[in-house]
Amino acid sequence: DGGITQSPKYLFRKEGQNVTLSCEQNLNHDAMYWYRQDPGQGLRLIYYSQIVNDFQKGDIAEGYSVSREKKESFPLTVTSAQKNPTAFYLCASSSRTGEAYGYTFGSGTRLTVV
Amino acid sequence: AQSVAQPEDQVNVAEGNPLTVKCTYSVSGNPYLFWYVQYPNRGLQFLLKYITGDNLVKGSYGFEAEFNKSQTSFHLKKPSALVSDSALYFCAVRGPGSGSARQLTFGSGTQLTVLP
Repeated sequence: DGGITQSPKYLFRKEGQNVTLSCEQNLNHDAMYWYRQDPGQGLRLIYYSQIVNDFQKGDIAEGYSVSREKKESFPLTVTSAQKNPTAFYLCASSSRTGEAYGYTFGSGTRLTVV
Repeated sequence: AQSVAQPEDQVNVAEGNPLTVKCTYSVSGNPYLFWYVQYPNRGLQFLLKYITGDNLVKGSYGFEAEFNKSQTSFHLKKPSALVSDSALYFCAVRGPGSGSARQLTFGSGTQLTVLP
């Protein structure tokens, strides 16, 4: 079955460490997105990519980095510069053509600073 | 710029009663509207969408939504609520065009609680 896989489901980070969250899709979607969700809050866009080897900053990109070397993969690195990284991170993808398509979401990664 | 407003952070309804979760939008041109549901510690799941045609859209789990162009609204409804409908609901809009306008813009979410 096609879908988006995020791993790990839970991740613990020590102060000053970089960590990388994985997002892989087999939907042949061109566009991929990373969102941050804090408790009881909505979604805030971190980065998005509409095509391989290209990505743009979203609303809260500071302290995060991404790469898009393959169509299927869009990993997110939470760097030590992100001062409050504890949150739920969601990856999504969509077809680049056709406004009729919404997003398909992964099941999320919960990151906790210890 | 496109935007979505969900005016209620929390909606409580008794099981068996009808429920409505409100959504209004702002976009240039014809809107493409979506509803998603999120259960605790899970990703968002697609419920339904309006692209064109009939203003009443039927979706998963007995949910439906009514598109009202004059009021720029897309309220989510269900005739009889279940306790299992308790979740966080997001409305989203996408406008026509290219570039950033092709992204979905999400509302802030409405927590629905169905009381037994």
